[in-house]
Amino acid sequence: GAVVSQHPSRVICKSGTSVKIECRSLDFQATTMFWYRQFPKQSLMLMATSNEGSKATYEQGVEKDKFLINHASLTLSTLTVTSAHPEDSSFYICSASWFGASETQYFGPGTRLLVL
Amino acid sequence: GENVEQHPSTLSVQEGDSAVIKCTYSDSASNYFPWYKQELGKRPQLIIDIRSNVGEKKDQRIAVTLNKTAKHFSLHITETQPEDSAVYFCAAESPSGGGADGLTFGKGTHLIIQP
Repeated sequence: GAVVSQHPSRVICKSGTSVKIECRSLDFQATTMFWYRQFPKQSLMLMATSNEGSKATYEQGVEKDKFLINHASLTLSTLTVTSAHPEDSSFYICSASWFGASETQYFGPGTRLLVL
Repeated sequence: GENVEQHPSTLSVQEGDSAVIKCTYSDSASNYFPWYKQELGKRPQLIIDIRSNVGEKKDQRIAVTLNKTAKHFSLHITETQPEDSAVYFCAAESPSGGGADGLTFGKGTHLIIQP
């Protein structure tokens, strides 16, 4: 149980385009989803916390107008990187948690974004 | 905000020996401390976690200890095997008042098991 999927697994795009990444909880209803970013050989950095039906809470330094997060249902959250630039190239990983599972977070497989 | 320090950055041990990874945190309100194992290009996988009302937890070859007074926690792996080779991350969660909260991760430890 507690399976989280992400789509796409890998994306290459041109600078200036927008990219949407989906995060789904497959066998549970995720009351909260999180988006992290991981640069090569570095740690995971929390970008934002997303609760179903409400606006996402962004961490300091993360531009909410550049990284649009939508958590429209209890099983789906999306992250849209708008006007992507090469410095946005990274590994984006979501995680999900649900009420009753306490603080435990289950991670998706990640999306590797390369902006040319 | 929370700050998590993790040491060492690289740890090489002989197969069968024990490995210890240590982390410290800054926010005394943090109450949840998970450990994740991440293989190259893969998702982090939860291997063990501990909550602030417990001092030690063990699951087969893996154990975690927590010292709330000193604000540090450690991962212990005994009888290491080649498949234990990976990057290990500690993390801490500072409660914000309701529901789950985002994790602050340490910088990771690259564990190498020498055959």
